[in-house]
Amino acid sequence: AQRVTQPEKLLSVFKGAPVELKCNYSYSGSPELFWYVQYSRQRLQLLLRHISRESIKGFTADLNKGETSFHLKKPFAQEEDSAMYYCAPGFYGNNRLAFGKGNQVVVIP
Amino acid sequence: GAVVSQHPSWVICKSGTSVKIECRSLDFQATTMFWYRQFPKQSLMLMATSNEGSKATYEQGVEKDKFLINHASLTLSTLTVTSAHPEDSSFYICSARGDRGGEKLFFGSGTQLSVL
Repeated sequence: AQRVTQPEKLLSVFKGAPVELKCNYSYSGSPELFWYVQYSRQRLQLLLRHISRESIKGFTADLNKGETSFHLKKPFAQEEDSAMYYCAPGFYGNNRLAFGKGNQVVVIP
Repeated sequence: GAVVSQHPSWVICKSGTSVKIECRSLDFQATTMFWYRQFPKQSLMLMATSNEGSKATYEQGVEKDKFLINHASLTLSTLTVTSAHPEDSSFYICSARGDRGGEKLFFGSGTQLSVL
């Protein structure tokens, strides 16, 4: 089955430390992958997309087809990065879009 | 950017009643809309995919007679929770994909449903 896996549910990091959120996918073909972020009491919003390299707040992600991964990285975490992060594949099948289980990131001051 | 309006933002209802949640794309045409359910501190769970003018495609385990989805126009999709029960209490989120941004999704702000 096509799916995306985010293994770590909760990640705590100190301010200024690097952050890496893992995302692995199992898809045939070449998916377009996204990272979405949900800050406390706010709606989900796009953080980063693979093809256009759109990014906000200093996050990057590289698509590794060999490892089927799309890990999210930021070299220096900020307190405002505390949020829920979701890896999402591009649309597939009947135009479906399902999310990974998400990573709760807590940045410790 | 594109805006998706979801209404109401919260609703409390008695067990056995039905509740309708609206999702509107305000400045673009949404060819596809998605409905998600989210429990506290849990991930989004895709419930159904709705394409304008056709029947919604439900995910496995989601009762189509329980969660009625209508996508009658390119700017409006509705989710009706029929004969609601306390276990239906949850946060429901819609998102839309349309003629802007290609594969990008735009999200509603969600609806907190509490069934007494």
